[in-house]
Amino acid sequence: GESVGLHLPTLSVQEGDNSIINCAYSNSASDYFIWYKQESGKGPQFIIDIRSNMDKRQGQRVTVLLNKTVKHLSLQIAATQPGDSAVYFCAEGGTGKLIFGQGTTLQVKP
Amino acid sequence: EAGVTQSPTHLIKTRGQQATLRCSPISGHTSVYWYQQALGLGLQFLLWYDEGEERNRGNFPPRFSGRQFPNYSSELNVNALELEDSALYLCASSLDLGVRNNSPLHFGNGTRLTVT
Repeated sequence: GESVGLHLPTLSVQEGDNSIINCAYSNSASDYFIWYKQESGKGPQFIIDIRSNMDKRQGQRVTVLLNKTVKHLSLQIAATQPGDSAVYFCAEGGTGKLIFGQGTTLQVKP
Repeated sequence: EAGVTQSPTHLIKTRGQQATLRCSPISGHTSVYWYQQALGLGLQFLLWYDEGEERNRGNFPPRFSGRQFPNYSSELNVNALELEDSALYLCASSLDLGVRNNSPLHFGNGTRLTVT
């Protein structure tokens, strides 16, 4: 079936370090990918997206890498801050809906 | 600019009752999506509406239904509520057929439905 999986349920990093959150997807026909951040009690917040004709896209302190050969997506957060603590979801699209993974909890240690 | 707004924020119902959840999209957005997020789990796709029409539906029973109004707001109705329907229901909106045209979804903060 359709699924997007995350490699680790929880990632703990020191404040100031870089964070890397990984994601695997199963549908090779997917052509659009998004990373979301969800804080407790809130809806998912858009972070960054990437289309399948790109390998890398950068935003403010974030970078998304797409490897279509192995169907792998990653989110890199530079200089991780306490405010980055949240659950991060990757989502896969292309058929008119987004399919979400189960999420990775990012914990930032002071 | 106002984001996606959902009402009510919390809803408590008894098994067998019906629940109606409402969503107002971002101004200018024509697509509305509904997702279910059970406690501690990921988001499961429910429904997608665009320009008043149902465009896609997830693997949920027919007692989950909805509609989109001419002003692009939307309603999600859940009939014959079951205990396992307890979840956070998230609405999202997007431009121009959304994901199909590589436009991201923007989410509201959800309605927490509790079925007792």
